[in-house]
Amino acid sequence: EAGVTQFPSHSVIEKGQTVTLRCDPISGHDNLYWYRRVMGKEIKFLLHFVKESKQDESGMPNNRFLAERTGGTYSTLKVQPAELEDSGVYFCASSQLFLGSGTEAFFGQGTRLTVV
Amino acid sequence: SQQGEEDPQALSIQEGENATMNCSYKTSINNLQWYRQNSGRGLVHLILIRSNEREKHSGRLRVTLDTSKKSSSLLITASRAADTASYFCATHPINDYKLSFGAGTTVTVRA
Repeated sequence: EAGVTQFPSHSVIEKGQTVTLRCDPISGHDNLYWYRRVMGKEIKFLLHFVKESKQDESGMPNNRFLAERTGGTYSTLKVQPAELEDSGVYFCASSQLFLGSGTEAFFGQGTRLTVV
Repeated sequence: SQQGEEDPQALSIQEGENATMNCSYKTSINNLQWYRQNSGRGLVHLILIRSNEREKHSGRLRVTLDTSKKSSSLLITASRAADTASYFCATHPINDYKLSFGAGTTVTVRA
């Protein structure tokens, strides 16, 4: 069974440009999460989808970030326009059950975003 | 705000030695999980320990949890080069479902 996959694995863009990250969760997982790790710091929660609905987007840093989950399958995270401080590794995770039940979240390999 | 905080930030050991890292957190939790990230790879779930458990084993991993001190430790016994990675503790606070991660401990196992 395929795990959580993320595209691209690495992206280098100039400040002001737009980048779209994609996450394909494990098939059948209704819950999808985005996390971000800025260089050397903790991994921070960005948002949570249940199917196609945003359950919690309290971690989204500002309105330059837009996440969608079309049809409750894959998800995209768009950064427009990108700023230098957006550089970091963006992780996507999925879980079959709501994380509040103590279930395990499966993470993708992450997308390393570098804004220059 | 950061819930879990790992200590030390970095650890270098010889192959065959044990590696111990600690995690402290601030609020009451439902469970605590440890994850590993190998260079360029995703986060891999290692072990979950619930708030009513004190110790748990999985292969060469041993996790302890002291809820009175709000701390956990991860012990890797008989380390191997393949154990070289960053290790993160993630807490699942009561009244919140989101996992809260620390900054991680980078472990280097020298051959």
